[in-house]
Amino acid sequence: DVKVTQSSRYLVKRTGEKVFLECVQDMDHENMFWYRQDPGLGLRLIYFSYDVKMKEKGDIPEGYSVSREKKERFSLILESASTNQTSMYLCASREGQGVGGELFFGEGSRLTVL
Amino acid sequence: AQKITQTQPGMFVQEKEAVTLDCTYDTSDPSYGLFWYKQPSSGEMIFLIYQGSYDQQNATEGRYSLNFQKARKSANLVISASQLGDSAMYFCAMREVWRGSQGNLIFGKGTKLSVKP
Repeated sequence: DVKVTQSSRYLVKRTGEKVFLECVQDMDHENMFWYRQDPGLGLRLIYFSYDVKMKEKGDIPEGYSVSREKKERFSLILESASTNQTSMYLCASREGQGVGGELFFGEGSRLTVL
Repeated sequence: AQKITQTQPGMFVQEKEAVTLDCTYDTSDPSYGLFWYKQPSSGEMIFLIYQGSYDQQNATEGRYSLNFQKARKSANLVISASQLGDSAMYFCAMREVWRGSQGNLIFGKGTKLSVKP
């Protein structure tokens, strides 16, 4: 079974803290993604990566950074958490190229910033 | 302009009946893919069905079918014989090939489906 694992299901952090969200996939996929999900807004892409050490900004990268040191691991970093970053964060991966092929998602990390 | 539009924020359906969830999309790319995902209250995203822009036939997967009307740019999801376990959020998504081979999906805002016993 394919598996995308996010390190924490629920996190509570304080404003200004540095936050790391970890994502690991066991499918040897080249491409990995971080989305943010908010009610009424659907899923919005924060960053994606198509290879080790490679990253591209998505639609809402402000306030976030990412790291991909190993193929299987893609980390989302909030350098200084703010209350407007309270959200559900979803990691996903896919193999190959082209228009087909679904994204495989992790279970999500629900972050609350106080 | 929104790339993916889901006009039904919430819908109710009686158990065992069929239901159609609407999705329209906007692209000028001749090659694209359309996806539907289900998200139960537990939060995981479950892939349901895929339709490629060049596919001649509508996609089907068990009780799920995709009513693809290319000229209208619509990709409605049809769930037959609804079950209580179908209660969830449903997201329509699109991949455009011009965005690169990495394959980002653009998601709609979702439709919350509630199945009544």
